[in-house]
Amino acid sequence: EVQLVESGGGLVQPGRSLRLSCTASGFAFGDFAMSWARQAPGKGLEWVGFIRSKAYGGTIEYAASVKGRFTISRDDSKSIAYLEMSSLKTEDTAVYYCTRAHGDYLYYFDYWGQGTLVTVSS
Amino acid sequence: DIVMTQSPDSLAVSLGERATINCKSSQSVLYSSNNKNYLAWYQQKPGQPPKLLIYWASTRESGVPDRFSGSGSGTDFTLTISSLQAEDVALYYCQQYFNTPHTFGQGTKLEIK
Repeated sequence: EVQLVESGGGLVQPGRSLRLSCTASGFAFGDFAMSWARQAPGKGLEWVGFIRSKAYGGTIEYAASVKGRFTISRDDSKSIAYLEMSSLKTEDTAVYYCTRAHGDYLYYFDYWGQGTLVTVSS
Repeated sequence: DIVMTQSPDSLAVSLGERATINCKSSQSVLYSSNNKNYLAWYQQKPGQPPKLLIYWASTRESGVPDRFSGSGSGTDFTLTISSLQAEDVALYYCQQYFNTPHTFGQGTKLEIK
């Protein structure tokens, strides 16, 4: 059974940093791209970025709203994906979802974690 | 960026009736090289993460009831629920993966009339 479990969310002050983790199980983690999406309270879904599998170069792409502030990485030996967030803004407040990304270079998201809430507030 | 626009924003349908949600992309999401539409549909129930229903515009994900179907090509797509059940009350989102940034529609709230 595919499982994705996010951790690391919480309350953080504007301008500070936070790292989220996504621990995966139930599938060959290294064979898949992994992605992050977020949902602000009462709002719709926003794609944050993804990291491709090593077979597809391990390249990373980001939404413009987070590029230069957020960093996605992965540790295939531990089946964990990370989202390092820096220079956080109040508008980054959201539930952050880890997703498995299905495809070659472009992806739909076939499994989602339960999400972890990040609140950016002073 | 490709803008995804769903209609309507909310919809109330009687149990057992058909529900139709539309999604329009600001540019075509059909790749001519493989004739595939890079369009997915998701269902999100309150307090839960989204769940994949449909990909490649019309391919139903494993385990999704066959009352859910997707259609359309190019820029205009439709998610149809043929006979609404109480458990289908949810938000529904379309998403394009034709290019990055991958973008979602604003969502359609489906309720029981």
